[in-house]
Amino acid sequence: EAQVTQNPRYLITVTGKKLTVTCSQNMNHEYMSWYRQDPGLGLRQIYYSMNVEVTDKGDVPEGYKVSRKEKRNFPLILESPSPNQTSLYFCASSFFQGRGEQFFGPGTRLTVL
Amino acid sequence: ELKVEQNPLFLSMQEGKNYTIYCNYSTTSDRLYWYRQDPGKSLESLFVLLSNGAVKQEGRLMASLDTKARLSTLHITAAVHDLSATYFCAVLGNTPLVFGKGTRLSVIA
Repeated sequence: EAQVTQNPRYLITVTGKKLTVTCSQNMNHEYMSWYRQDPGLGLRQIYYSMNVEVTDKGDVPEGYKVSRKEKRNFPLILESPSPNQTSLYFCASSFFQGRGEQFFGPGTRLTVL
Repeated sequence: ELKVEQNPLFLSMQEGKNYTIYCNYSTTSDRLYWYRQDPGKSLESLFVLLSNGAVKQEGRLMASLDTKARLSTLHITAAVHDLSATYFCAVLGNTPLVFGKGTRLSVIA
């Protein structure tokens, strides 16, 4: 089944404790992206990747890192999480450098205490 | 900087009625998406609109795009309870996909 998977789905952590949210897709998509969703703000892009070893900042990259060592994986790293990073995070992927339909993962709900 | 504005942000409508959600955007784009999100769930792609005048329909939903007016509409015909969800439009700028804030639709009997 074609899909985007994320892990973990739910995470409660404390300020400053490094964490990684994994994202994997099995559709051979070049483009992958991370979004955060907050009430009243819609979805905002954190980082995106056009292909392996190519990543770029989105609208809200501060406090996040990403890497794209393999085509299928695009982990999101929070080196020192803070409470303002409490949010719902979505990974997405698509063909055509992001110009195709984007397929979203199930989401990761992160709470930073 | 591309800005995307949806309205209304909240919509309560009776079953059987028709209504339209509007999506305006601020700079030229040739690609617009509509998504549906159920509470606690991920986003589901509804429509991809690629050119001026594009119209797509699926069931009770019809989306259209006017690139000259920088406007897309999502029309709901004879609403049913199952359409209750949040609907997002998203516009492709130079690179990032910019989302509207969403329209929370509630269909009541």
